Amino acid sequence: DTGVSQDPRHKITKRGQNVTFRCDPISEHNRLYWYRQTLGQGPEFLTYFQNEAQLEKSRLLSDRFSAERPKGSFSTLEIQRTEQGDSAMYLCASTLGGELFFGEGSRLTVL
Amino acid sequence: AQSVSQHNHHVILSEAASLELGCNYSYGGTVNLFWYVQYPGQHLQLLLKYFSGDPLVKGIKGFEAEFIKSKFSFNLRKPSVQWSDTAEYFCAVNQGYSTLTFGKGTMLLVSP
Repeated sequence: DTGVSQDPRHKITKRGQNVTFRCDPISEHNRLYWYRQTLGQGPEFLTYFQNEAQLEKSRLLSDRFSAERPKGSFSTLEIQRTEQGDSAMYLCASTLGGELFFGEGSRLTVL
Repeated sequence: AQSVSQHNHHVILSEAASLELGCNYSYGGTVNLFWYVQYPGQHLQLLLKYFSGDPLVKGIKGFEAEFIKSKFSFNLRKPSVQWSDTAEYFCAVNQGYSTLTFGKGTMLLVSP
């Protein structure tokens, strides 16, 4: 499969724990995006990278969230000290420009 | 603030009925417009996109959308829906290479 892959697909954690999600974009895509989707809402932008540079961050991305894209390949999204309000589907997408190609998402449930 | 509005949160149709899902945006200037679909248990997939040119855009699976600049709209249409079109549909907009902003989505249920 040469699409965008995300891992893990599901994560259940207790409040206060840290979680990390990984995204492997389509190999030739230089732009990588993270979005969050909650029930009844469309995807909401969190942050994006062009190669290894993080170029934009949403106000939704509190200081408990951090994202990296070392070497401009895969990316990780870490959430520290999780809260119940962090429960959502975290989507990764990649592109060369224009259409975004999405992964299947990582669903986070914070108990 | 820039926003994307989808008028209907839920739509229920019988097979063979015609479909029109509304989408309006609040951006000024040149925009790129997209419709994405999310089938149950699957990832978001592009249905169609408009960058420039003919404002009537044809996409996959018989879907089309019309860009009406004066109305800031990009409505999605299909003349005859099938049960397999049951999914959530998202309109999205950006300008140039800016980040894509999505509407809240419309859940379409097609009954056989």
